[in-house]
Amino acid sequence: GNSVTQMEGPVTLSEEAFLTINCTYTATGYPSLFWYVQYPGEGLQLLLKATKADDKGSNKGFEATYRKETTSFHLEKGSVQVSDSAVYFCALVTSGTYKYIFGTGTRLKVLA
Amino acid sequence: GAVVSQHPSRVICKSGTSVKIECRSLDFQATTMFWYRQFPKQSLMLMATSNEGSKATYEQGVEKDKFLINHASLTLSTLTVTSAHPEDSSFYICSARDGTYNEQFFGPGTRLTVL
Repeated sequence: GNSVTQMEGPVTLSEEAFLTINCTYTATGYPSLFWYVQYPGEGLQLLLKATKADDKGSNKGFEATYRKETTSFHLEKGSVQVSDSAVYFCALVTSGTYKYIFGTGTRLKVLA
Repeated sequence: GAVVSQHPSRVICKSGTSVKIECRSLDFQATTMFWYRQFPKQSLMLMATSNEGSKATYEQGVEKDKFLINHASLTLSTLTVTSAHPEDSSFYICSARDGTYNEQFFGPGTRLTVL
């Protein structure tokens, strides 16, 4: 079946460090891929998305590229800030449905 | 972006009682709403899909008589956990799909604790 695997957290970084959160997926067909962020006490917010192979999603300095050959959608940011501390979820939606399949989430903590 | 609210944000109840959780789309009409459940350190798992004016579609393994879903209007869906037991303690999150922009928006979640 379809699934999403994320690296386990928590990830602790110093401010201005480089961030990578790995995400790989298993899916039939051609899914759309997403990264959501959840700040404490808030709902999931869409961070970025990509709908086809080689697409790059980007927002607020975060980037992720849809790699079909490696079935990956790794999240990166060149210089993290304390305000980026949150839980990040990788997710997919298979074509023709609106049902999300989420990874387990990765907690990021950025220290000043 | 569009806002989805959930109420209550936290609820503690005794075993055997029923709890109702509301999910509202505040500034758009949601033809479809989804209910997810999240256990600690685990993924959000889809429980059911709710379409306005029709019966909810439950995922495999989800008891429809235990988790009653009602989607009576385009802005409100409710999840009722009937005869709750400690194993039902979890974080419940709803999402609402904006048909105009074909995007889903998530609520902040409701933490249910059954004693």
